[in-house]
Amino acid sequence: QVTLKESGPVLVKPTETLTLTCTVSGFSLSNARMGVSWIRQPPGKALEWLAHIFSNDEKSYSTSLKSRLTISKDTSKSQVVLTMTNMDPVDTATYYCARTYYDFSLDPWGQGTLVTVSS
Amino acid sequence: QSVLTQPPSVSAAPGQKVTISCSGSSSNIGNNYVSWYQQLPGTAPKLLIYDNNKRPSGIPDRFSGSKSGTSATLGITGLQTGDEADYYCGTWDSSLSADLFGGGTKLTVL
Repeated sequence: QVTLKESGPVLVKPTETLTLTCTVSGFSLSNARMGVSWIRQPPGKALEWLAHIFSNDEKSYSTSLKSRLTISKDTSKSQVVLTMTNMDPVDTATYYCARTYYDFSLDPWGQGTLVTVSS
Repeated sequence: QSVLTQPPSVSAAPGQKVTISCSGSSSNIGNNYVSWYQQLPGTAPKLLIYDNNKRPSGIPDRFSGSKSGTSATLGITGLQTGDEADYYCGTWDSSLSADLFGGGTKLTVL
């Protein structure tokens, strides 16, 4: 059974850096043509794709957030880490990770973790 | 505003059929696969359709997908109250080198 689980702080202060970890099980981050994406969803709003990383270490980022995001993976730990700098209250959202295929379908998704940005 | 355009809401009666559209451009839908996701209230999204028209294991054939040019459509037949959810289309944009989601469509089963 393939599962992904997000972990990280529930509350961050404005200007701080957010670090989120996605721990996967049931597949390897070295599997060809697979990767992990990060997606977020502000309360009551639509999904927003943030970044992905594939097994060959190919990375892509949202054009609007590229300067603030870094994605990396530790295959031995089955973890994908996303950092987002200079957090702002508008970044308050549920952050999801999901397994990604080269056709860019996302399946399955983690349960999500709510991050609130507030002083 | 999303690059992929979906109607904000659709509605239909139980047992009826509904379609949800997703409009894009040649840099995204026109030249890349489209996926569809269902997000039930308070839950994470779930993949419904991939590669324009394929259903993952466990997704009933009441759900179907199609693509023509720069638009894609999700169809749901035999509507059930349990289908009430938000539905999102998604695809890659070759010009932006980024994945995209539509703005989402809220389905109400009257």
